[in-house]
Amino acid sequence: GESVGLHLPTLSVQEGDNSIINCAYSNSASDYFIWYKQESGKGPQFIIDIRSNMDKRQGQRVTVLLNKTVKHLSLQIAATQPGDSAVYFCAEKDPGTYKYIFGTGTRLKVLA
Amino acid sequence: AAGVIQSPRHLIKEKRETATLKCYPIPRHDTVYWYQQGPGQDPQFLISFYEKMQSDKGSIPDRFSAQQFSDYHSELNMSSLELGDSALYFCASSLRSEQYFGPGTRLTVT
Repeated sequence: GESVGLHLPTLSVQEGDNSIINCAYSNSASDYFIWYKQESGKGPQFIIDIRSNMDKRQGQRVTVLLNKTVKHLSLQIAATQPGDSAVYFCAEKDPGTYKYIFGTGTRLKVLA
Repeated sequence: AAGVIQSPRHLIKEKRETATLKCYPIPRHDTVYWYQQGPGQDPQFLISFYEKMQSDKGSIPDRFSAQQFSDYHSELNMSSLELGDSALYFCASSLRSEQYFGPGTRLTVT
């Protein structure tokens, strides 16, 4: 992953609105992806995963979309809540290895 | 459900000292990973172990080493510490693919 210092991209959404967080990945051969939520001072928390044989996967209030053509991943959060405020990372598994590459995080701010 | 355990949670060391971080993976998980995360940065992969054997290496300095023991816990050994080693160090574990992170160790080098 590339360092962006302290200036993470930020997405501000109104409470109750839907949020869409985007991620570009690097390796067209990557076949497994995870979205993580990280609150300040805590470890990344697993949210949802998707394999490359799927285009969409839904969880509780979250949906991940995978577009392999343009190597793009998105995380949709429905009815965003204040507790959703955090930094969100996507991670791609390096094929054939036990190694994950994290994308640049996005800070989600939920406005009351 | 049991989670990944890391110790210590906080560690303060001086330059040129050594540090050992410990990780206890989720029971029955067969793969352990170590990551380093600087302020405002994404986690950087350091090293991983599958079934107690080193499987992959990332951007781990030569001053660092790690191993996984017979009980599957892992230790990250850091020598000749530098100011730039100050960061959060995360351990994660997985069984097959889903990777779960521990709470991290915050290392401060002064």
